Amino acid sequence: EVQLVESGGGLVQPGGSLRLSCAASGFTFSSYWMSWVRQAPGKGLEWVANIKQDGSEKYYVDSVKGRFTISRDNAKNSLYLQMNSLRAEDTAVYYCARVPRRASIFHGMDVWGQGTTVTVSS
Amino acid sequence: DIQMTQSPSTLSASVGDRVTITCRASQSISSWLAWYQQKPGKAPKLLIYKASSLDSGVPSRFSGSGSGTEFTLTISSLQPDDFATYSCQQYNSYSWTFGQGTKVEIK
Repeated sequence: EVQLVESGGGLVQPGGSLRLSCAASGFTFSSYWMSWVRQAPGKGLEWVANIKQDGSEKYYVDSVKGRFTISRDNAKNSLYLQMNSLRAEDTAVYYCARVPRRASIFHGMDVWGQGTTVTVSS
Repeated sequence: DIQMTQSPSTLSASVGDRVTITCRASQSISSWLAWYQQKPGKAPKLLIYKASSLDSGVPSRFSGSGSGTEFTLTISSLQPDDFATYSCQQYNSYSWTFGQGTKVEIK
């Protein structure tokens, strides 16, 4: 079964750090771009970051540039999001998602994890 | 950044209705648009990619159309399982954005 399972969420004070993990199974993880997407309480979806199969390309939404770092370990079939200098507005459910790409064309985000909740509050 | 605007924000409909949701991009995104369905407390589910391509296993009552800046998601005959929130997402460049979502509720 193709599956993504996030972990690492929790309550953190403003200015603090947290590292999210996403464990992939059931597919060849190293063949896919991967993404992080978040959803603040009662709000819409917000794309956070993308990473290429080999980690050589990374892209971020402006609001997290310089604070968040996406990375992956293909040997461990795992995706990560290191979040530093956290702010109240980073409070959200964070999802990891698989991004199929065929013939240099993306095809949306076709597999999602169940999400992990990050709450930034004092 | 490319802004995505969906309309309406909320839509009340009955089982069997034909439903159309619109998504407009602030600049041309060719056909690089996806649609997702999300139910409360659940992860989004990909319905359509490249504006009109149905993802595997998605019922044929869902269809997508459009290119450039205007796109539509149509549900030809609304089923009980379709009451959910629908979001569009552009992937024209490496900076992606979602629309704010359209909630389809029971009339």
